[in-house]
Amino acid sequence: AQSVTQPDIHITVSEGASLELRCNYSYGATPYLFWYVQSPGQGLQLLLKYFSGDTLVQGIKGFEAEFKRSQSSFNLRKPSVHWSDAAEYFCAVGTLGGATNKLIFGTGTLLAVQP
Amino acid sequence: EAEVAQSPRYKITEKSQAVAFWCDPISGHATLYWYRQILGQGPELLVQFQDESVVDDSQLPKDRFSAERLKGVDSTLKIQPAELGDSAMYLCASSSPTSGGTDTQYFGPGTRLTVL
Repeated sequence: AQSVTQPDIHITVSEGASLELRCNYSYGATPYLFWYVQSPGQGLQLLLKYFSGDTLVQGIKGFEAEFKRSQSSFNLRKPSVHWSDAAEYFCAVGTLGGATNKLIFGTGTLLAVQP
Repeated sequence: EAEVAQSPRYKITEKSQAVAFWCDPISGHATLYWYRQILGQGPELLVQFQDESVVDDSQLPKDRFSAERLKGVDSTLKIQPAELGDSAMYLCASSSPTSGGTDTQYFGPGTRLTVL
């Protein structure tokens, strides 16, 4: 069965520091992988996605993620965090084509940014 | 930039009452999804529409939840009767297939439901 694990429930970093949020997935075929961000009381905004090709993908707001098939991981990174990055981050895996395209989400990582 | 619209943004209701949520997807998106997000968890799919047809409602509690997309555009999700455990954020998303059969889901702002 498909699943996504985000091992870190809560992370605190200082403004300007680098960030890495971990994501591990379980999926039998080639995965679609996504990172979404959610501000309090808001919907989800797509940060980036991986479908195929280059395993390092660039997203909005200076985020990037690297797909590592051997580790079943899709970790999100940012070299320098801004206070406005404080939010909850969700990793998700999607099915490849077909009639349904359900996203399976992890439980999220809540990011706090210290001044 | 086109967005998914949802209303209301917030809804407070009492147990056993009926509630309804509305979603208007991005124009031209044939696929529409309703997700439920319990506080502290990731969203879980309730129902998926392709145009006006349901393609996945395996996680929809059909004894009390119903969803429709009559003209293949906007959609309504209804709960009757509401229970305390239904308190959650209800998110609508839409997508349109790109080349290769892949698609990206775009989410609306959600409806926060509180059942008292």
